[in-house]
Amino acid sequence: DAGVTQSPTHLIKTRGQQVTLRCSPKSGHDTVSWYQQALGQGPQFIFQYYEEEERQRGNFPDRFSGHQFPNYSSELNVNALLLGDSALYLCASSRLARGGTDTQYFGPGTRLTVL
Amino acid sequence: RKEVEQDPGPFNVPEGATVAFNCTYSNSASQSFFWYRQDCRKEPKLLMSVYSSGNEDGRFTAQLNRASQYISLLIRDSKLSDSATYLCVVNPSGGYNKLIFGAGTRLAVHP
Repeated sequence: DAGVTQSPTHLIKTRGQQVTLRCSPKSGHDTVSWYQQALGQGPQFIFQYYEEEERQRGNFPDRFSGHQFPNYSSELNVNALLLGDSALYLCASSRLARGGTDTQYFGPGTRLTVL
Repeated sequence: RKEVEQDPGPFNVPEGATVAFNCTYSNSASQSFFWYRQDCRKEPKLLMSVYSSGNEDGRFTAQLNRASQYISLLIRDSKLSDSATYLCVVNPSGGYNKLIFGAGTRLAVHP
């Protein structure tokens, strides 16, 4: 049973560029949440996707956008990158449909460095 | 005030010691509570959910006090492999499944 997978594992970009990160949820899961973890901090909620729609959003600017596909996989897009966007980006999956719980399982993350 | 607050540590303890981590949360309507463990440069992994009645998993015991909005994690007989950062996590509204993390408490177990 494959867990949550993310790609790429590492990425280096320069200020002003755009980046797309990808996530495949755990088998049987229908919900994907994205988190940003800066060095020395706990993960911060960016947004959550369920049934291909953004259900909730944290305190992040519109430069952060996302998408969920019919197969439940998801993308996180960040435009106009800033130095402060350098962080570990984590994807977490869960199952919200009937019979699911709110336990979230995390992927290995994508480490983004903005120069 | 942060939504979830933890003592950042680090806690440096010898093998075999008992160590306790504390956490407070600000939203009294919070629904679900968890402890996650995060190894250096890795993803957080669920250690255990926390229930009002308290729960135990081997050497780990978690307690929740809703009246005080306080969560704790007790690790008995510490092992070298317990060295990690322990994240206190709260779901403020169960239906929407958004997790709020504390900054984490770092534990270093030494021989």
